[in-house]
Amino acid sequence: DAGVTQSPTHLIKTRGQHVTLRCSPISGHKSVSWYQQVLGQGPQFIFQYYEKEERGRGNFPDRFSARQFPNYSSELNVNALLLGDSALYLCASIQQLGSGYNEQFFGPGTRLTVL
Amino acid sequence: AQTVTQSQPEMSVQEAETVTLSCTYDTSESDYYLFWYKQPPSRQMILVIRQEAYKQQNATENRFSVNFQKAAKSFSLKISDSQLGDAAMYFCAYSIGGSQGNLIFGKGTKLSVKP
Repeated sequence: DAGVTQSPTHLIKTRGQHVTLRCSPISGHKSVSWYQQVLGQGPQFIFQYYEKEERGRGNFPDRFSARQFPNYSSELNVNALLLGDSALYLCASIQQLGSGYNEQFFGPGTRLTVL
Repeated sequence: AQTVTQSQPEMSVQEAETVTLSCTYDTSESDYYLFWYKQPPSRQMILVIRQEAYKQQNATENRFSVNFQKAAKSFSLKISDSQLGDAAMYFCAYSIGGSQGNLIFGKGTKLSVKP
């Protein structure tokens, strides 16, 4: 089975531009989460989607948005890029195992550099 | 607010020896999960071990085990018989039970393994 895929692998943008990052979850998983990992820090939760509905949102500005498609793939959009948005963006495919526990499988990430 | 603290930015261990990574957390919830994730230099985050807060028995996975002290809100990871492939960033993480996909991570501990 294919794991979580993310595209692109690397991306360089300039301040003020817009970026779209993409994620395909593991087949059969209906939920994804997005995280931002700034260099030297742990990942920070941005969004979670389940069955195309937003289920959670972290403490990020409205410049960050996401959506999930009928095939459960997802896009993360960031508008008006700032230098501080430079980070590794991780997508996690979520498997619901019951009893309130959900296991997350992470993709390789997209490295975004804002100049 | 829930927080996760890893007080050791870097640790080093000799191959075949044992090392313990520390983690403390703060929460007022009674139903939660704790995790250790490994992020090798290739970036893909993988789950090493998880612990359900309601279980008193410490989780073990082959050479990896945890020391879960619920009252002290401490969750350390012990790696036995360290191998060169164990070198990576290790992140302690927390999630509320029933939460669909919001992991709260610590800042990580960089583990080096010396041959």
